[in-house]
Amino acid sequence: NAGVMQNPRHLVRRRGQEARLRCSPMKGHSHVYWYRQLPEEGLKFMVYLQKENIIDESGMPKERFSAEFPKEGPSILRIQQVVRGDSAAYFCASSPSSGGYDTQYFGPGTRLTVL
Amino acid sequence: GDSVTQMEGPVTLSEEAFLTINCTYTATGYPSLFWYVQYPGEGLQLLLKATKADDKGSNKGFEATYRKETTSFHLEKGSVQVSDSAVYFCALFSSNTGKLIFGQGTTLQVKP
Repeated sequence: NAGVMQNPRHLVRRRGQEARLRCSPMKGHSHVYWYRQLPEEGLKFMVYLQKENIIDESGMPKERFSAEFPKEGPSILRIQQVVRGDSAAYFCASSPSSGGYDTQYFGPGTRLTVL
Repeated sequence: GDSVTQMEGPVTLSEEAFLTINCTYTATGYPSLFWYVQYPGEGLQLLLKATKADDKGSNKGFEATYRKETTSFHLEKGSVQVSDSAVYFCALFSSNTGKLIFGQGTTLQVKP
């Protein structure tokens, strides 16, 4: 049973470019969460999605950031016009819709570096 | 709002020493509590969890007991190994908000 998959593992972008981060949840999981981890800090919640729906995006910056979880395919976190302050590790987690929905399983993360 | 506070690190121990990492929380309702571990360059792995008061979560020699009276979930291990060196995160899941809230993490270094 494959775990949560994220790609790419490392991403380098220049200021002003776009970054696309992908997350495939564990099989049977329909809830996806995105977190950001800045160096030497804990994880901060960004957004919570179910298939085709954004449930909670209260942790997402209002500009340049967007997320989706389409009916088919992985969840995508998109950062437009990246700036140096976007450099961080971005983690995706998934959970089942019932029976243990409080437990999230994390992917290996995407480490974004903005030059 | 809900929050989690962990003891500051780094915590440096010799192999086979006893480990305690303190974690306290503030939450409305009855949250589930978790410990996650992050090895260098990797994602978070679920270490153990407890869903109600007096529950004890355990895994790989690590234990933590959900103490509602002291709002704590301290992580313990009787004899640490070098391979336990990692960052440990305490977290709570609030059914009110549907969010997982993390402490700031505690770095553990175990020396041979």
